[in-house]
Amino acid sequence: AQSVAQPEDQVNVAEGNPLTVKCTYSVSGNPYLFWYVQYPNRGLQFLLKYITGDNLVKGSYGFEAEFNKSQTSFHLKKPSALVSDSALYFCAVRDPVGGSYIPTFGRGTSLIVHP
Amino acid sequence: DGGITQSPKYLFRKEGQNVTLSCEQNLNHDAMYWYRQDPGQGLRLIYYSQIVNDFQKGDIAEGYSVSREKKESFPLTVTSAQKNPTAFYLCASSVSGTGGNTGELFFGEGSRLTVL
Repeated sequence: AQSVAQPEDQVNVAEGNPLTVKCTYSVSGNPYLFWYVQYPNRGLQFLLKYITGDNLVKGSYGFEAEFNKSQTSFHLKKPSALVSDSALYFCAVRDPVGGSYIPTFGRGTSLIVHP
Repeated sequence: DGGITQSPKYLFRKEGQNVTLSCEQNLNHDAMYWYRQDPGQGLRLIYYSQIVNDFQKGDIAEGYSVSREKKESFPLTVTSAQKNPTAFYLCASSVSGTGGNTGELFFGEGSRLTVL
C-alpha cells in the first residue's frame, strides 16, 4: 500500500524568507515522489519529481525538494519566497513495486506568502 | 501546443439531470484519469483508463460513468445518482498506465460543476 501525508493545512511565510512545505510517505519499496502546485480555479501543475539518484531535486520556479529515505520525507523548499508562490501544494507518491501505478495525493498544503 | 482541454469551465445543473464533462488530450498519452476535488479533501480518484476501450473504477465511482472510445478522449458523465455532485473536477493523463511509468500526471484546467 502507498500513502502520503502533508501534516500542515497551511504554511505562512514572509516574502523573502525561506519556505518549507512538508511531506511524508509510506511505501513498501522505493518511492516515486512528486510535487504539484495549484493556483485558484486552475488545474495542478507539475513542479518536480524524485525517481532515483541525487536526493536533492530541483524543479520549476526555483523550488527544490529533498528526499530523505530514513525519515520517509520529501519536503518542498525554496530559499526565498515570493508573494506569487501563494498557492495550494500537493505531494504525491507511487510505489512502483508494491503499489499502484496511480499516484496517491496528499490533502494539500495552502502556502500563503505575506508581503 | 500539447495539453489537456477540459470543457466546460463552469457548468450549472438542476437536480435530476445528467451532465457530461469533456476531456481531450493531444499528448499521445495512454492513461487518463478523472479526479474530484472538494475543499480540504485533496484529490479523489473517480475513474481511470490505461488504454482505449478499458477503464476501471476509482475510489468514488458511484454516480459517475465514463467511456474511452478514442485515445484522445475520456468524457465523464455525472448522473442523477450522484448525491452531492457540486465540486471541481480535474482530468489528467500520463504517458503510460503501467507500473514502470515514472512520469508525472498532466492536468487540465478543471470544470466546476454546481447543482442548483
